This record gives sequence, C-alpha cells and structure tokens, in this order.
Amino acid sequence: NAGVTQTPKFRVLKTGQSMTLLCAQDMNHEYMYWYRQDPGMGLRLIHYSVGEGTTAKGEVPDGYNVSRLKKQNFLLGLESAAPSQTSVYFCASSTVRNSPLHFGNGTRLTVT
Amino acid sequence: KNEVEQSPQNLTAQEGEFITINCSYSVGISALHWLQQHPGGGIVSLFMLSSGKKKHGRLIATINIQEKHSSLHITASHPRDSAVYICATLHGGSQGNLIFGKGTKLSVKP
Repeated sequence: NAGVTQTPKFRVLKTGQSMTLLCAQDMNHEYMYWYRQDPGMGLRLIHYSVGEGTTAKGEVPDGYNVSRLKKQNFLLGLESAAPSQTSVYFCASSTVRNSPLHFGNGTRLTVT
Repeated sequence: KNEVEQSPQNLTAQEGEFITINCSYSVGISALHWLQQHPGGGIVSLFMLSSGKKKHGRLIATINIQEKHSSLHITASHPRDSAVYICATLHGGSQGNLIFGKGTKLSVKP
C-alpha cells in the first residue's frame, strides 16, 4: 500500500520550460490537493479536486493548471516556469472534506 | 480571513521535558489539524479535532473552540520528536482547503 506517491522528487527547470508533476494515491480518496511550501510561509493551496473530473482554484493558482481525469491521479502542470515557482510542492489526499490528510513526500522544484 | 498563528516559532528542549506548542486562529472553524514535518521533509497527520482532547501515545492535542485556541503537548520528549509541527484549520464553509500556520520547529537535545 503506497499511499500518496509524487513524481519526480527533484527537478531543475529553466525559465519558460514546462513540466508536469504527478500525484497518485491508492486509497480511493475523493479529495486531492496540491500545495506549495516556501521558507517562512505556511503551506499554501494551489488547486484542489473534490472528485474525478473536478478541479478548483486555491489560494495561489496563477501559473499552474491541474487535471483529474482518473480518481487516483492529480496532475499539476507548469506551462511556462518562472523563478517565483521555485518551491517544494506537496500533494495530499483525503477521503472526504473533513478527514485527515495523507501527504506525498514532496517535489523540490528549482527554476533558474 | 482566518489567520493561524503558532507559538513559539522555535523551541529547544532537553530530552524528557514536557513540551507545549500553541495555535490560535481568528474565525470559527469546523476542524483543526496537527501535522508533523520530519527533517527529511515528509508530512504526516497527527490529529484532527473539532472539540475536546485527543491522545496518541505521548502526544496530546486539545482545542478550546470558545477561545479559538489549540495546544499540542508532548510528554517525555525524545530526540526523535525533533520536527516541525504545523497547525491547520478548516473553515465551515470551505470545500476542504486548510489554512496553515507557519509551523513550530522543535529540537529535542539528548
């Protein structure tokens, strides 16, 4: 039982390049989230999904897109990376709205 | 807008000490989470509570809804408890997006 798996673990991009971060969960959770964590700040929500085929914007959605075509996968895309997107990205999932979160191990992204 | 404040920001303790980390928030919530972030970066959920008190091993979490305040206690602290402890709140009207505090970095010395 893997829980929540994020790939890749590390990535370095040049400004303007694109990439997709993959989050996969094997717990049949309805809710999935993408957060970013920056030094001196709390985790901030980028986008989230309350079920297959649905997505919604969080607190800091600009510059990111997401898709949830399958219930177990939640993809985060950066179409044109910027240095301000250098961060650690965490995916999380939960069964319902008011339930404990399960986190992936994070992706450290550097944009030069 | 709900603000989540944690105190202290940093905490150093000797092994065996009783530790308290505080979390205050500004608006009514439906639940509060305590999370632990290991030095390696991974985040695990410790507690989710909406009233009263919960206990798991040496960890105890309490919440006072009227005072908008929660505490996380660690009894008989151990170096392996060294981590960042994060408080997060869930609004009653939200779809599940939490508001996170900045975390309390705990270091327990042997």
